[in-house]
Amino acid sequence: GAGVSQSPSNKVTEKGKDVELRCDPISGHTALYWYRQRLGQGLEFLIYFQGNSAPDKSGLPSDRFSAERTGESVSTLTIQRTQQEDSAVYLCASSLAGGRANYGYTFGSGTRLTVV
Amino acid sequence: DAKTTQPPSMDCAEGRAANLPCNHSTISGNEYVYWYRQIHSQGPQYIIHGLKNNETNEMASLIITEDRKSSTLILPHATLRDTAVYYCIVRPTGDDKIIFGKGTRLHILP
Repeated sequence: GAGVSQSPSNKVTEKGKDVELRCDPISGHTALYWYRQRLGQGLEFLIYFQGNSAPDKSGLPSDRFSAERTGESVSTLTIQRTQQEDSAVYLCASSLAGGRANYGYTFGSGTRLTVV
Repeated sequence: DAKTTQPPSMDCAEGRAANLPCNHSTISGNEYVYWYRQIHSQGPQYIIHGLKNNETNEMASLIITEDRKSSTLILPHATLRDTAVYYCIVRPTGDDKIIFGKGTRLHILP
């Protein structure tokens, strides 16, 4: 597609439920990133995928958070046993390549998650 | 941790040039300076990046000091649609993660 697509755009869930957020990167972009942005706060890095390399999970806040990506396609971010502090906008970005190629990221519009 | 320092907020009159400063005194030789902006309720948008030389594109100009310890993003003719949070980021070529700081909230005044 022309841009990074995220779904759903909004999600309301009950505390304790699991949620899955989806990101469709730009075709051909080998690098994919997930960020979290709480209301009125900055962006927190969560996880980064580059091709078939092991993902950089250094930003995941707890073991309730996990993400998968198959090859250079769709990624899903899963939050298990959601808590109210998980309420935030979850942003996905992709780029042509990481590391040695200095390309900017293209961000999606995010998924607004509300845990009630 | 973000390696940059930016003023928390700035005002600029519509039609004037907006000059947003950024300090990155600990920047290393292989680190690029990137600028992104985030308009309310949208994802961040890439603006421009540079290493040593000044850069210009259709959105903005980036002026990097000779010692590379600071830079300025210039929006030549600010419009109300330029109201956003502007993030200055340093990123080494071998590291893909972008760590965002708090940015500068730019208000364009009519």
